[in-house]
Amino acid sequence: QLQLQESGPGLVKPSETLSLTCTVSGGSISSSIYYWGWIRQPPGKGLEWIGNIYYGGISYYNPSLRSRVTISVDTSKNQFSLKLNSVTAADTAIYYCATDRVQQLPPGYWGQGTLVTVSS
Amino acid sequence: DIVMTQTPLSSPVTLGQPASISCRSSQSLVHSDGNTYLSWLQQRPGQPPRLLIYKISNRFSGVPDRFSGSGAGTDFTLKISRVEAEDVGVYYCMQATQFPWTFGQGTKVEIK
Repeated sequence: QLQLQESGPGLVKPSETLSLTCTVSGGSISSSIYYWGWIRQPPGKGLEWIGNIYYGGISYYNPSLRSRVTISVDTSKNQFSLKLNSVTAADTAIYYCATDRVQQLPPGYWGQGTLVTVSS
Repeated sequence: DIVMTQTPLSSPVTLGQPASISCRSSQSLVHSDGNTYLSWLQQRPGQPPRLLIYKISNRFSGVPDRFSGSGAGTDFTLKISRVEAEDVGVYYCMQATQFPWTFGQGTKVEIK
């Protein structure tokens, strides 16, 4: 059973970089059968897809964030990460990581989410 | 981007009675591979979203059979045959046919 856990700072200053990690258990981050993604949810609001990364490092990002976002994989730690630079208060949200087999769209396995607040 | 529009935005229901949520997409969700990647997710209060239905009508692992999905093209429906107390929350439709993946605004299901 795939399990995911997000981690990272809960508070980030405006104009700085938001960095989150998702630790994977029950599956290998190196496997070609899975993809790895991030979704966010501003407090009290709806869901926004951020992006996915696939085997071989192929990634797709939401155009609304593409210039600021990077998703990458760390095979040595069985983790994948999200970096969002030049953050503003509008980036305050609960950030979820998610995964599933590449044939399963959308992903059925989600982390519990982590709240990131952008404030000075 | 494909815009997903849900109705209603709020649905008060009586325990044991059915509930229905509609979702309309701004363009067809039929993928070039022939599949329609329309899904429904449930978000209970204080919880992460949970995948209920994928490819219009397929229940994800562990989802009770009182949840069902239907539709085609641009019009889709989620039905709960008999609402239980644990079904309270916000329901989202979502399309994964085309990047960027997009969600509906959410429909809040609450008990009368």
